[in-house]
Amino acid sequence: GAGVSQSPSNKVTEKGKDVELRCDPISGHTALYWYRQRLGQGLEFLIYFQGNSAPDKSGLPSDRFSAERTGESVSTLTIQRTQQEDSAVYLCASSLVAQSTYEQYFGPGTRLTVT
Amino acid sequence: EDQVTQSPEALRLQEGESSSLNCSYTVSGLRGLFWYRQDPGKGPEFLFTLYSAGEEKEKERLKATLTKKESFLHITAPKPEDSATYLCAVTRRRSASKIIFGSGTRLSIRP
Repeated sequence: GAGVSQSPSNKVTEKGKDVELRCDPISGHTALYWYRQRLGQGLEFLIYFQGNSAPDKSGLPSDRFSAERTGESVSTLTIQRTQQEDSAVYLCASSLVAQSTYEQYFGPGTRLTVT
Repeated sequence: EDQVTQSPEALRLQEGESSSLNCSYTVSGLRGLFWYRQDPGKGPEFLFTLYSAGEEKEKERLKATLTKKESFLHITAPKPEDSATYLCAVTRRRSASKIIFGSGTRLSIRP
């Protein structure tokens, strides 16, 4: 695969419904990050995975948010009981390792709209 | 509290008109500062990493510099295709994997 892919590209859901967002990182990249980007704002760190280590969940805004990753492959971000303030673009990035010296490659994002 | 502030929020230039974007940061123990470019509807694209004051890096019409308090992204003789949002981000030594982003500068180059 050429780069990081995310699906769906757009998701419209009703308030209170659960949603799952998917990220396929670049093959061989051990680190995977999720970010949230609200309109006109910078990226807000949510969670990162590094190999088989325990994920850093310190950026998750509430217990409605959770994420999983199987090994060094696909990750899913789940938002339960969605609220209107969850509307944003959710970006996934991967890098060779979870260190600042390694550049992150971003996917195109999933635009989530909660009505 | 760690903070990254970018200015201006938006900048409109004429093609060929050089200028600079600013990124001011407050972080305890800077490990690295990043610049990214983001086009509408796309994820950020990595441009540069700077590690220490005095360091400079160049790529085509872009040059990034770093001091102890801020970074500048200089754009020389810009072209319309340089129009994008430019994001600055920092990471700390004690939490090297967590990156703190600024809100970006929207750059528009008129032909």
